[in-house]
Amino acid sequence: GAGVSQSPSNKVTEKGKDVELRCDPISGHTALYWYRQSLGQGLEFLIYFQGNSAPDKSGLPSDRFSAERTGGSVSTLTIQRTQQEDSAVYLCASSAILWGTQETQYFGPGTRLLVL
Amino acid sequence: QQPVQSPQAVILREGEDAVINCSSSKALYSVHWYRQKHGEAPVFLMILLKGGEQKGHEKISASFNEKKQQSSLYLTASQLSYSGTYFCGTETVDRDDKIIFGKGTRLHILP
Repeated sequence: GAGVSQSPSNKVTEKGKDVELRCDPISGHTALYWYRQSLGQGLEFLIYFQGNSAPDKSGLPSDRFSAERTGGSVSTLTIQRTQQEDSAVYLCASSAILWGTQETQYFGPGTRLLVL
Repeated sequence: QQPVQSPQAVILREGEDAVINCSSSKALYSVHWYRQKHGEAPVFLMILLKGGEQKGHEKISASFNEKKQQSSLYLTASQLSYSGTYFCGTETVDRDDKIIFGKGTRLHILP
């Protein structure tokens, strides 16, 4: 595709339900990043993938959060037993090289998650 | 530890210059800069590594002062399109793969 895509664009769920957020990076980009932004707040870095590997998952907010990437392409961020504080915009970005200083990170439009 | 950005907000007239600072209490390995317009996803500007380098992106450049653990973002001859919130993210020399973001600096350019 031409850019990073994310789905769904909006998700409303009930507290306690599980949700799965998807990110399709730019083709050929080996690095993929997940961020979170709560309403009116700043950015929060969650996790990165180099290929299919996520060396450090400690940035995930709690053990209810998990992320995986398959085939060096699509990534999913899963939130189990959602809580109201999980409500936020979840952003995905990709770049050709991990944290490349000469490489632009391209962001997707985000998934707006609302937990009722 | 969260880096401190200053100023919190600034209003400029088109054509004026601005400087946004990002300071940390810890030794830094890298500083990341992003711009975000209201209701949109962030836009990546640049990453600087320790070593005191300076980089440019159009009329936007940045420096990294390793001794001061500070990065400054310079916006020269600002354009209306530069309006938005600027975030810096920092990674410490521990290389713990964690990028911590500042609270942002809101920049508004008036015509």
